[in-house]
Amino acid sequence: DTGVSQDPRHKITKRGQNVTFRCDPISEHNRLYWYRQTLGQGPEFLTYFQNEAQLEKSRLLSDRFSAERPKGSFSTLEIQRTEQGDSAMYLCASSLVGGISYGYTFGSGTRLTVV
Amino acid sequence: GQQLNQSPQSMFIQEGEDVSMNCTSSSIFNTWLWYKQDPGEGPVLLIALYKAGELTSNGRLTAQFGITRKDSFLNISASIPSDVGIYFCAGPADSSNTGKLIFGQGTTLQVKP
Repeated sequence: DTGVSQDPRHKITKRGQNVTFRCDPISEHNRLYWYRQTLGQGPEFLTYFQNEAQLEKSRLLSDRFSAERPKGSFSTLEIQRTEQGDSAMYLCASSLVGGISYGYTFGSGTRLTVV
Repeated sequence: GQQLNQSPQSMFIQEGEDVSMNCTSSSIFNTWLWYKQDPGEGPVLLIALYKAGELTSNGRLTAQFGITRKDSFLNISASIPSDVGIYFCAGPADSSNTGKLIFGQGTTLQVKP
């Protein structure tokens, strides 16, 4: 197991375009989280899944954002009509319910730049 | 809402020196976590604390869960160049079992060889 994988590592897009990021969690982990991190700040929670169910969404997740985890394995995060304010690092993490509380593993992130 | 405040915001030290940083909360936490983030990478969990007063070590790193449950401390002894990075404290964002975390704004550490 190579840990949590995120693809792409970097994405530059023009304002108004749609982008999609992928996260592959650790295979036996049933929880998957998305966070956003802007420069000089800590990660901020966006949403999480338990298996394929999306259980919570932050107010930060506007209606331009959508996340899916169709088979309870990998997840995608799509941003429609990107804005410059969407420029950030998008981090994915996974954990096992019933495992060590909050001891989850982050991926290396996708750095989004909207120009 | 909950907030975590880390200090100092940044530190520039000489290799071999000891480092101390802390994190304070506006509310009580039952878990404290310390992460390190290298440039262009995701945060990596260093130490997890689950009990008030707990002192836990991981190599040259030692973290303490404050008695008031509103603060935590991280110490690094005999710093080396690879300690460079951003250190974040984190705790549960709410009392439900979602695993959702709230993070501080980070302490940036630079080590001069």
